[in-house]
Parts: sequence; structure tokens; C-alpha cells
Amino acid sequence: QVQLQQWGAGLLKPSETLSLTCAVSGGSFSGYYWIWFRQTPGKGLEWIGEINHGRSTNYNPPLKSRVTLSVDSSKRQVSLTLNSVTAADTAVYYCARRREGSTSDWYIDSWGQGALVTVSS
Amino acid sequence: EIVMTQSPVTLSVSPGERATLSCRASQSVRSNLAWYQQKPGQAPRLLIYGASTRATGIPARFSGSGSGTEFTLTISSLQSEDFAVYYCQQYNNWPPYIFGQGTKVEIK
Repeated sequence: QVQLQQWGAGLLKPSETLSLTCAVSGGSFSGYYWIWFRQTPGKGLEWIGEINHGRSTNYNPPLKSRVTLSVDSSKRQVSLTLNSVTAADTAVYYCARRREGSTSDWYIDSWGQGALVTVSS
Repeated sequence: EIVMTQSPVTLSVSPGERATLSCRASQSVRSNLAWYQQKPGQAPRLLIYGASTRATGIPARFSGSGSGTEFTLTISSLQSEDFAVYYCQQYNNWPPYIFGQGTKVEIK
């Protein structure tokens, strides 16, 4: 049974950098994309980006210029960095996973517990 | 980009009753649709994928149907732990992370 455990700073000031890490325990680390989402009451669930163990990435275009995803396969960890945060980046951030391969496998079968990040001066 | 529309926004149901939730896609997503349950303070949990396949450990009272643009999630007999927000998600077209706005199932 895979488990995704997230952590990172929860309170940031405008212009600072958001940094979150997601550790994967159980299951395989390869063969999956590791995804980052955020959720706000106003915008719902928003996709940020995804990365696989081979460091292939996909980003949501509106966020692409500010987002960096990285992976450390030896530690089974994936990390999210979001630069130049504003109050609009206040959200609960989730890591999650989906299988690689055919489209029919692209549902999200596991989620981290979520991390509230607040941006305030 | 595909738009996923869920209805109703809120569904008031008594325990033991049936709940029927709808999800409509603005274009065909074939059967590449998932349903998730989210309780307050928790992450979403996968219930259904492939429009009708229950995920591991999901009780049989949850069932999904539909294909193309019209989908339904049915909870046959609501239990107290089923009161939550339910989201549909299409994963047929890129980007595969388009969710509906959610349906809140509340106690009547």
C-alpha cells in the first residue's frame, strides 16, 4: 500500500519561494507520474505539474514560469518549488500519483495528506 | 479545454436513501472518468475509475455508469460516513486533470 507523506513551510510572505516535498513509501516509484495539485474554495482542484522517475515533466501553462519539480529516486521523494508567491497562491497543496502508460490508466489512485500554505505579509 | 459540470451542487439526502450524482463533459471522454470523495480536512479518495470500476476497498454501494459525455455516481444506501463532497475527473484528453466543481452530499 503506497503512502505519500508531504511537508514544507506553511506560512510565506509575498515574493518568497514555496517549497514542498513528498515522500513515497510502499509500492513502486517508477512507472508513475508524481503530480502536484492545489485546492482553494474559489478555484477548486488545480493541477500544477507532474514528474516521473526519469525526470520527464509536464506543467500547467499558467504556472509553468514559476514552478520547478524535481525527483530524488534514491530517497523516493519528489519536490515542488513555486517562486514569487502571492496571496493567490494560498491553498492546500497535494502530491498524488497516476500510472504512466495508456490513457485509461491516468486516474489518480493515491494522494498525500495535503499541506496548507498561506501567503501573507 | 474540456469542461466538467456536476449537478446538483448540493444534494440533501437522508441516511439509508439513494443518492444520484451527475457529471457532464463538454466533449466525449469515452470511459476515462473517475469519481473521488473528499471529506473536510482530507485529501480526495479514488472511488471509481473507468467510469464504472470500483477502486480497491470501495464498498459495493458505490457504483458508476455512463460513457461519452454523461456519467452518474450512485450511492445505493447512504451511510453516515458518505456525507462528503464528490468530484468527477476526466483523464481522456490533455491535460488529464480537469475536475468538476463538486457535489456536496449533506444530511437531510
